[in-house]
Amino acid sequence: DGGITQSPKYLFRKEGQNVTLSCEQNLNHDAMYWYRQDPGQGLRLIYYSQIVNDFQKGDIAEGYSVSREKKESFPLTVTSAQKNPTAFYLCASKGDGSYEQYFGPGTRLTVT
Amino acid sequence: AQSVTQLDSQVPVFEEAPVELRCNYSSSVSVYLFWYVQYPNQGLQLLLKYLSGSTLVKGINGFEAEFNKSQTSFHLRKPSVHISDTAEYFCAVSPIRNFNKFYFGSGTKLNVKP
Repeated sequence: DGGITQSPKYLFRKEGQNVTLSCEQNLNHDAMYWYRQDPGQGLRLIYYSQIVNDFQKGDIAEGYSVSREKKESFPLTVTSAQKNPTAFYLCASKGDGSYEQYFGPGTRLTVT
Repeated sequence: AQSVTQLDSQVPVFEEAPVELRCNYSSSVSVYLFWYVQYPNQGLQLLLKYLSGSTLVKGINGFEAEFNKSQTSFHLRKPSVHISDTAEYFCAVSPIRNFNKFYFGSGTKLNVKP
């Protein structure tokens, strides 16, 4: 089955620790995205990548970092510099021939 | 710049009643339009999209939406809702000339009551 996987579903960390969220897709899509979702605020773009070894900052990139070493993988690191990291994180991808984004199931990160 | 406004944060409705979820957008360029649905603690699933042609588009689960260019709106409708339609719905736009970027509204929670 083709799709996007995000792991783990739930993640707990202590304040001050960096944490990496996984996103893998087997759809052969070039573009991949990371969004943050908070109640009542919709989806806000953190980073996106249109091709391997290239990525651009979104609207709320501060305190986050990404890498795109392989086409199928786009991990997101939430650093200790992110002031309010507790949120639901969604990964998405988009193929060259399609107009819509496809979403993974999300990772809920709780930092205490 | 693009922005998407979903005026209603929550819409309560009784089962089998009709529903309309409103979406207005602002853009200096032509855009593609989308509606997504999100069930609790899950990712987003595409309901329907407008790319060109007929302004009335039909999607999955009996939903439809109408694109109104003069009013820059893309309202989502269903003639008869089910309990299973309880979810959060997001409107999104993507510039035609840069359709790798998406802009989402803040979402509307549809609560279908028995």
